Amino acid sequence: GNSVTQMEGPVTLSEEAFLTINCTYTATGYPSLFWYVQYPGEGLQLLLKATKADDKGSNKGFEATYRKETTSFHLEKGSVQVSDSAVYFCALRGDAGGTSYGKLTFGQGTILTVHP
Amino acid sequence: EAGVAQSPRYKIIEKRQSVAFWCNPISGHATLYWYQQILGQGPKLLIQFQNNGVVDDSQLPKDRFSAERLKGVDSTLKIQPAKLEDSAVYLCASSSGPGQASKGSYEQYFGPGTRLTVT
Repeated sequence: GNSVTQMEGPVTLSEEAFLTINCTYTATGYPSLFWYVQYPGEGLQLLLKATKADDKGSNKGFEATYRKETTSFHLEKGSVQVSDSAVYFCALRGDAGGTSYGKLTFGQGTILTVHP
Repeated sequence: EAGVAQSPRYKIIEKRQSVAFWCNPISGHATLYWYQQILGQGPKLLIQFQNNGVVDDSQLPKDRFSAERLKGVDSTLKIQPAKLEDSAVYLCASSSGPGQASKGSYEQYFGPGTRLTVT
Protein backbone atom coordinates (compact mmCIF):
# COMPACT_ATOMS: atom_id res chain seq x y z
CA GLY A 1 0.00 0.00 0.00
CA ASN A 2 0.89 3.67 -0.07
CA SER A 3 3.10 5.12 2.66
CA VAL A 4 4.89 8.35 3.52
CA THR A 5 7.96 8.74 5.71
CA GLN A 6 9.05 12.09 7.12
CA MET A 7 12.26 12.98 8.87
CA GLU A 8 12.20 12.66 12.60
CA GLY A 9 11.51 15.84 14.51
CA PRO A 10 11.19 18.19 16.18
CA VAL A 11 13.22 20.76 14.28
CA THR A 12 14.38 23.92 16.02
CA LEU A 13 15.88 26.79 14.05
CA SER A 14 16.78 30.42 14.48
CA GLU A 15 14.97 33.04 12.42
CA GLU A 16 16.37 33.40 8.87
CA ALA A 17 17.90 29.91 8.91
CA PHE A 18 17.50 27.50 5.99
CA LEU A 19 14.88 24.77 6.39
CA THR A 20 14.75 21.28 4.93
CA ILE A 21 12.21 18.67 5.98
CA ASN A 22 12.72 15.35 4.23
CA CYS A 23 9.85 13.30 2.86
CA THR A 24 9.97 10.02 0.96
CA TYR A 25 7.08 7.91 -0.26
CA THR A 26 6.06 4.50 -1.50
CA ALA A 27 3.22 4.27 -3.98
CA THR A 28 2.14 2.57 -7.15
CA GLY A 29 1.27 4.51 -10.25
CA TYR A 30 1.51 8.27 -10.33
CA PRO A 31 0.49 9.81 -7.02
CA SER A 32 0.07 13.50 -6.30
CA LEU A 33 2.18 14.88 -3.46
CA PHE A 34 1.31 17.52 -0.88
CA TRP A 35 2.63 19.44 2.06
CA TYR A 36 0.11 20.48 4.69
CA VAL A 37 0.75 22.80 7.63
CA GLN A 38 -1.04 22.80 10.97
CA TYR A 39 -0.70 25.92 13.11
CA PRO A 40 -1.43 25.65 16.83
CA GLY A 41 -5.16 25.25 17.45
CA GLU A 42 -6.03 25.22 13.77
CA GLY A 43 -6.92 22.65 11.13
CA LEU A 44 -4.70 21.40 8.36
CA GLN A 45 -4.02 23.84 5.53
CA LEU A 46 -2.63 22.94 2.14
CA LEU A 47 0.78 24.55 1.76
CA LEU A 48 1.81 23.33 -1.68
CA LYS A 49 1.38 20.45 -4.08
CA ALA A 50 2.85 18.72 -7.12
CA THR A 51 0.93 16.38 -9.36
CA LYS A 52 3.59 14.90 -11.63
CA ALA A 53 7.28 14.10 -11.71
CA ASP A 54 9.66 17.12 -11.74
CA ASP A 55 6.85 19.52 -10.81
CA LYS A 56 7.84 22.10 -8.23
CA GLY A 57 5.21 23.28 -5.80
CA SER A 58 5.73 26.63 -4.08
CA ASN A 59 3.90 28.90 -1.67
CA LYS A 60 4.84 31.50 0.97
CA GLY A 61 8.54 30.99 0.26
CA PHE A 62 8.33 27.20 0.68
CA GLU A 63 9.24 24.88 -2.19
CA ALA A 64 9.23 21.15 -2.87
CA THR A 65 10.10 19.22 -6.04
CA TYR A 66 8.48 15.90 -6.98
CA ARG A 67 11.41 13.53 -7.58
CA LYS A 68 10.18 10.23 -8.91
CA GLU A 69 13.65 8.74 -9.26
CA THR A 70 14.29 9.14 -5.54
CA THR A 71 10.60 8.96 -4.51
CA SER A 72 11.06 12.16 -2.54
CA PHE A 73 9.29 15.48 -1.97
CA HIS A 74 11.50 17.43 0.43
CA LEU A 75 10.23 20.75 1.78
CA GLU A 76 12.61 23.74 1.76
CA LYS A 77 12.58 27.38 2.70
CA GLY A 78 15.52 29.71 2.41
CA SER A 79 14.78 31.92 5.42
CA VAL A 80 12.31 30.86 8.08
CA GLN A 81 10.33 33.20 10.30
CA VAL A 82 8.93 32.80 13.78
CA SER A 83 5.47 32.67 12.21
CA ASP A 84 6.46 29.47 10.36
CA SER A 85 6.41 27.56 13.65
CA ALA A 86 3.89 24.77 13.09
CA VAL A 87 3.58 21.07 12.33
CA TYR A 88 4.27 20.10 8.72
CA PHE A 89 2.80 16.99 7.11
CA CYS A 90 3.83 15.37 3.86
CA ALA A 91 1.02 13.48 2.13
CA LEU A 92 0.24 11.62 -1.05
CA ARG A 93 -2.94 10.95 -2.96
CA GLY A 94 -3.23 7.88 -5.12
CA ASP A 95 -3.74 8.32 -8.83
CA ALA A 96 -7.14 8.71 -10.40
CA GLY A 97 -7.49 5.04 -11.29
CA GLY A 98 -7.71 3.89 -7.68
CA THR A 99 -10.93 2.75 -6.07
CA SER A 100 -10.65 5.29 -3.27
CA TYR A 101 -9.40 8.21 -5.26
CA GLY A 102 -8.98 11.23 -3.08
CA LYS A 103 -7.74 9.45 0.02
CA LEU A 104 -4.67 11.13 1.51
CA THR A 105 -1.91 9.12 3.17
CA PHE A 106 0.06 11.26 5.62
CA GLY A 107 3.49 11.11 7.15
CA GLN A 108 3.84 11.39 10.90
CA GLY A 109 4.43 15.14 10.88
CA THR A 110 7.44 17.30 11.78
CA ILE A 111 7.21 19.95 14.47
CA LEU A 112 9.08 23.12 13.50
CA THR A 113 9.94 25.74 16.10
CA VAL A 114 11.61 28.96 14.98
CA HIS A 115 13.24 31.19 17.61
CA PRO A 116 13.80 34.94 17.15
CA GLU B 1 -16.86 31.00 1.07
CA ALA B 2 -17.42 29.28 4.39
CA GLY B 3 -15.01 26.53 5.31
CA VAL B 4 -15.61 23.10 6.77
CA ALA B 5 -17.41 23.35 10.09
CA GLN B 6 -17.09 20.86 12.92
CA SER B 7 -18.58 20.59 16.37
CA PRO B 8 -17.93 20.24 19.16
CA ARG B 9 -14.33 21.47 19.25
CA TYR B 10 -13.53 19.58 22.44
CA LYS B 11 -15.10 16.62 24.20
CA ILE B 12 -14.14 14.71 27.33
CA ILE B 13 -15.90 11.43 28.09
CA GLU B 14 -15.31 8.36 30.19
CA LYS B 15 -14.52 5.02 28.61
CA ARG B 16 -17.54 2.99 27.55
CA GLN B 17 -19.58 6.16 26.98
CA SER B 18 -20.76 7.20 23.54
CA VAL B 19 -19.96 10.37 21.60
CA ALA B 20 -20.95 11.95 18.30
CA PHE B 21 -19.21 14.47 16.10
CA TRP B 22 -20.78 16.64 13.43
CA CYS B 23 -19.35 17.99 10.19
CA ASN B 24 -20.72 20.43 7.64
CA PRO B 25 -18.62 20.44 4.46
CA ILE B 26 -18.00 23.26 2.03
CA SER B 27 -21.14 23.94 0.05
CA GLY B 28 -21.34 21.84 -3.08
CA HIS B 29 -18.53 19.46 -2.19
CA ALA B 30 -19.56 15.92 -3.03
CA THR B 31 -16.81 14.09 -1.18
CA LEU B 32 -16.45 14.06 2.60
CA TYR B 33 -13.73 12.44 4.69
CA TRP B 34 -13.28 11.63 8.36
CA TYR B 35 -9.72 11.28 9.64
CA GLN B 36 -8.39 10.27 13.04
CA GLN B 37 -5.22 12.04 14.21
CA ILE B 38 -3.59 10.49 17.27
CA LEU B 39 -1.10 12.70 19.08
CA GLY B 40 2.29 12.58 17.38
CA GLN B 41 0.97 10.89 14.24
CA GLY B 42 -0.38 11.97 10.89
CA PRO B 43 -4.09 11.81 10.16
CA LYS B 44 -5.47 8.42 9.17
CA LEU B 45 -8.54 8.06 6.98
CA LEU B 46 -11.49 6.44 8.73
CA ILE B 47 -14.18 6.79 6.08
CA GLN B 48 -14.79 8.51 2.76
CA PHE B 49 -18.22 9.42 1.38
CA GLN B 50 -19.13 10.28 -2.18
CA ASN B 51 -22.45 12.12 -1.84
CA ASN B 52 -24.31 9.85 0.61
CA GLY B 53 -22.54 6.62 -0.37
CA VAL B 54 -19.49 5.09 1.31
CA VAL B 55 -16.41 4.85 -0.93
CA ASP B 56 -13.88 3.58 1.59
CA ASP B 57 -14.37 2.50 5.19
CA SER B 58 -11.62 -0.10 5.34
CA GLN B 59 -9.92 1.58 8.34
CA LEU B 60 -13.10 2.22 10.34
CA PRO B 61 -13.39 0.05 13.48
CA LYS B 62 -16.93 -0.98 12.69
CA ASP B 63 -17.55 -2.70 16.01
CA ARG B 64 -17.60 0.71 17.71
CA PHE B 65 -17.46 3.44 15.06
CA SER B 66 -20.26 4.42 12.70
CA ALA B 67 -20.76 7.31 10.31
CA GLU B 68 -23.52 8.55 8.10
CA ARG B 69 -24.19 11.23 5.53
CA LEU B 70 -27.87 10.76 4.92
CA LYS B 71 -28.63 13.68 2.60
CA GLY B 72 -25.22 13.96 1.02
CA VAL B 73 -24.35 17.12 2.96
CA ASP B 74 -23.76 17.00 6.74
CA SER B 75 -22.16 14.00 8.34
CA THR B 76 -21.96 12.52 11.82
CA LEU B 77 -19.33 10.19 13.24
CA LYS B 78 -20.24 8.18 16.32
CA ILE B 79 -18.20 6.12 18.75
CA GLN B 80 -20.00 3.64 20.99
CA PRO B 81 -18.56 2.52 23.35
CA ALA B 82 -15.42 4.64 23.54
CA LYS B 83 -12.03 3.23 24.54
CA LEU B 84 -9.00 5.01 25.93
CA GLU B 85 -7.18 4.57 22.63
CA ASP B 86 -9.86 6.58 20.85
CA SER B 87 -8.40 9.76 22.35
CA ALA B 88 -7.45 11.77 19.28
CA VAL B 89 -8.40 14.70 17.08
CA TYR B 90 -11.13 13.83 14.59
CA LEU B 91 -10.80 15.80 11.40
CA CYS B 92 -13.41 16.27 8.74
CA ALA B 93 -12.44 17.29 5.21
CA SER B 94 -14.33 17.85 1.99
CA SER B 95 -13.47 18.09 -1.67
CA SER B 96 -15.11 18.25 -5.02
CA GLY B 97 -15.71 14.84 -6.53
CA PRO B 98 -15.57 13.19 -9.93
CA GLY B 99 -17.66 15.18 -12.34
CA GLN B 100 -17.24 18.38 -10.37
CA ALA B 101 -14.14 19.68 -12.14
CA SER B 102 -15.64 23.14 -12.22
CA LYS B 103 -15.46 23.26 -8.43
CA GLY B 104 -11.74 22.79 -8.24
CA SER B 105 -9.12 20.15 -8.50
CA TYR B 106 -10.27 17.73 -5.79
CA GLU B 107 -8.20 19.45 -3.09
CA GLN B 108 -9.23 18.56 0.43
CA TYR B 109 -10.18 21.33 2.80
CA PHE B 110 -10.03 20.50 6.48
CA GLY B 111 -12.14 21.62 9.39
CA PRO B 112 -10.60 22.63 12.76
CA GLY B 113 -11.17 19.18 14.22
CA THR B 114 -12.73 17.81 17.40
CA ARG B 115 -10.34 16.91 20.18
CA LEU B 116 -11.65 13.85 22.05
CA THR B 117 -10.26 12.81 25.40
CA VAL B 118 -11.39 9.47 26.81
CA THR B 119 -10.66 9.00 30.51
